[in-house]
This record gives sequence, structure tokens and C-alpha cells, in this order.
Amino acid sequence: NAGVTQTPKFQVLKTGQSMTLQCAQDMNHEYMSWYRQDPGMGLRLIHYSVGAGITDQGEVPNGYNVSRSTTEDFPLRLLSAAPSQTSVYFCASRSPRPLAGGRDNEQFFGPGTRLTVL
Amino acid sequence: KNQVEQSPQSLIILEGKNCTLQCNYTVSPFSNLRWYKQDTGRGPVSLTIMTFSENTKSNGRYTATLDADTKQSSLHITASQLSDSASYICVVRAGDSSYKLIFGSGTRLLVRP
Repeated sequence: NAGVTQTPKFQVLKTGQSMTLQCAQDMNHEYMSWYRQDPGMGLRLIHYSVGAGITDQGEVPNGYNVSRSTTEDFPLRLLSAAPSQTSVYFCASRSPRPLAGGRDNEQFFGPGTRLTVL
Repeated sequence: KNQVEQSPQSLIILEGKNCTLQCNYTVSPFSNLRWYKQDTGRGPVSLTIMTFSENTKSNGRYTATLDADTKQSSLHITASQLSDSASYICVVRAGDSSYKLIFGSGTRLLVRP
């Protein structure tokens, strides 16, 4: 299993440009999420999906769109990039099925995309 | 407000020494607490997850403790190695139906030879 993969690893954009960050997982996980990580702050949830065709907003959704046409893929689109979107973006996935004793299944993170908006 | 605070922000120790990282949270209701290790340039990787009823959980040289009464957790690293240099992130899941995860800002650990 490749786990959670993200492309590109690095990207530089100019203000106003649009782009799509790709995320794929091969673990057949229903739940997928996008986070951003900024210096001195914890990871913040941008958007998430509980299954193909179902998406919802997280804590910081403005300026981002998502779609989930398949279980495997969960792309994140920046509509019109702004310098405030300079960050490291992580995609994550997990199975919603609890483990024995009601434990959460583990959440797996991708390697991240480092985005700079000039 | 649901918050997770970690201390110290950064820490430097010599190889072979032990260290303890702290996590205080105000998340309510509480479901579980996780510790992640994040190497530079990589995504977080889970070390431990503890529910309300668990006080201690070990994963090799990593031992996490949880005091749900005082809402504190610690991560103890024994006999540190150079490969332990990373950021350690404390994450609390809220105990409602949202599966909301609240992330601490992490402790950056540097192990020197």
C-alpha cells in the first residue's frame, strides 16, 4: 500500500492564480480530510468528506473547494490564491469503523504540499 | 473554547537522555487523546491514542500518560536517539458526534549527539 499520497510536494503561485492539490489513498478509507499547518499553530481543518459525493466545511474553508467523486481521490482547489494561503497542506484519511472496544481507527496523513503564494 | 496547549515549545537534549513533553487541554466533552510524531518535511504519524479510562500507554521508548481529571497528558521519551528529533503533536478528539480533532501547536525536540 502506498498509503496517502499528495502531489505536488512544492508549489509556488502568484496571487490570483488557481490550482488543485491532489490527494489519493489506496486503503479504501471513507473519511478524508484536508488540513493546513502554519508556524506556531496546530493543524486546522479546511474541508472533509465522509464518503464519495459527500463533503463538508471545516474550520477554515474560505478560498478552498473540494469534491469527492471517488473513494480514492480528494482534490483541494484554490480558486484565487492569496498570500494568506501560504502554508503546508496535509491530506488525511481513515476508516470510520471503530476498532475493538469502540476505539477510533487511526488517521493517516500524507507527506504534505508546501505552497507559497507570492 | 476547546484548546490544546503544549509545553515547552522547543527542547534540546543530549542523546541518551530522557525527556517529558506536556499537553494540557480544555476540550469538553472528551473522547480520546493522541500523540503524533512529525519529522521535518513529513506528515504526522501516530504514536499513541488513549481513551478516558486509560492512564498510561507505551510504544517502545515512548510512554504517554493521561490524567482526565486534571486534563493533562505527558509524553515521556526514554534513552533518546538522534532519530527522535521531530515535532510532537498532542491532539484531542471531542466526545461529540463531529469527530472534531483539536491540535496542539507541537513541541519541537532536537536530540544532539
